Amino acid sequence: NAGVTQTPKFQVLKTGQSMTLQCAQDMNHNSMYWYRQDPGMGLRLIYYSASEGTTDKGEVPNGYNVSRLNKREFSLRLESAAPSQTSVYFCASTLGQGEADTQYFGPGTRLTVL
Amino acid sequence: AQTVTQSQPEMSVQEAETVTLSCTYDTSESDYYLFWYKQPPSRQMILVIRQEAYKQQNATENRFSVNFQKAAKSFSLKISDSQLGDAAMYFCAYRRFYGGATNKLIFGTGTLLAVQP
Repeated sequence: NAGVTQTPKFQVLKTGQSMTLQCAQDMNHNSMYWYRQDPGMGLRLIYYSASEGTTDKGEVPNGYNVSRLNKREFSLRLESAAPSQTSVYFCASTLGQGEADTQYFGPGTRLTVL
Repeated sequence: AQTVTQSQPEMSVQEAETVTLSCTYDTSESDYYLFWYKQPPSRQMILVIRQEAYKQQNATENRFSVNFQKAAKSFSLKISDSQLGDAAMYFCAYRRFYGGATNKLIFGTGTLLAVQP
């Protein structure tokens, strides 16, 4: 049981390049999330998927797209990377059944855009 | 909109001593959840403790306990018998009780805890 896994762990991009961050969970969770963490700002929600087949914007969705490929996988895509997207990205998942929910986080991806 | 504030960017504690990290929040809702997450240098976000707002009893997990003051909208974390492995960034987070489709967490800006040997 690996929990929530993310790939890659580190990435350096040039401005304008594109890439996809991968996330997978093996806990049979329904809901998945992408957050970004910036110094002095805590974690902010980019996109989420309440269930397979649905995705919605969070607080800071501009410049990103997501795909809920199946129940296990939720990817985050940067179509044209900008220096402002330099951050640490976390994927999280939760059962999505209300009261008992606790979010479990992946190890994060450190992205640098030059 | 709900907000979470951690007013202590950095704290330091001697090994084996007790330290309290502060968190305040703002909400108009009466039912909600509060969490403390720990982020060590490995970057992994680890759930430390969770409190349901409808429970008056403060949550406790081994050396970690909270002081939940609902009227004051305060949620502090006490770490007893501090250990070197407690050194980390600590985040306070809020979640609506009826999260709906989101169930999203609202995070504070974090407190970096150093543990001195």
